[in-house]
Amino acid sequence: NAGVMQNPRHLVRRRGQEARLRCSPMKGHSHVYWYRQLPEEGLKFMVYLQKENIIDESGMPKERFSAEFPKEGPSILRIQQVVRGDSAAYFCASSPRSAQETQYFGPGTRLLVL
Amino acid sequence: TQLLEQSPQFLSIQEGENLTVYCNSSSVFSSLQWYRQEPGEGPVLLVTVVTGGEVKKLKRLTFQFGDARKDSSLHITAAQTGDTGLYLCAGNTGGFKTIFGAGTRLFVKA
Repeated sequence: NAGVMQNPRHLVRRRGQEARLRCSPMKGHSHVYWYRQLPEEGLKFMVYLQKENIIDESGMPKERFSAEFPKEGPSILRIQQVVRGDSAAYFCASSPRSAQETQYFGPGTRLLVL
Repeated sequence: TQLLEQSPQFLSIQEGENLTVYCNSSSVFSSLQWYRQEPGEGPVLLVTVVTGGEVKKLKRLTFQFGDARKDSSLHITAAQTGDTGLYLCAGNTGGFKTIFGAGTRLFVKA
């Protein structure tokens, strides 16, 4: 009865490196969402994916950021050539069948770019 | 642009006091959720409301969805230190995107 799982919980990268964040949705959930949260702020939507499809990526920067949710395995949020401004908490959420259903969140990955 | 405004942004109270936080929008929502987030953790779902005028109770927490489904409130009775956290409301208008308010930071002092 596991909830949404994210790893790593903490990630430190130097400027210019790549960051890969993983999210395994709740069992039976086929919709995944990624959000970014800066300190003392709310959640900002980045991208919404179903298996093998990106449904809405309107909140994701056009450059350096990409996301996937393959048929097998976790969803991956990839940030290339990280910059200090990418430092934030990145949360993944999942819902069962549609975007209208309640989303359940993982514990987040805290990315620190040195 | 759809916005969910939460008020107050910050609230510091003594243990035992009552409080109400608000979530307002000009948009109509098909559903609205309240989450609580503790430092270093992800948001944890407290409740989902879907019917205008709906009231839901969760122990000392009372959630109300406005008749027009544009606003909601969360009332906490006899606050405890364990209620400290960031309270987020989130709404879905029937489309792909769920929008989140910026949250109310609650600190309950012993």
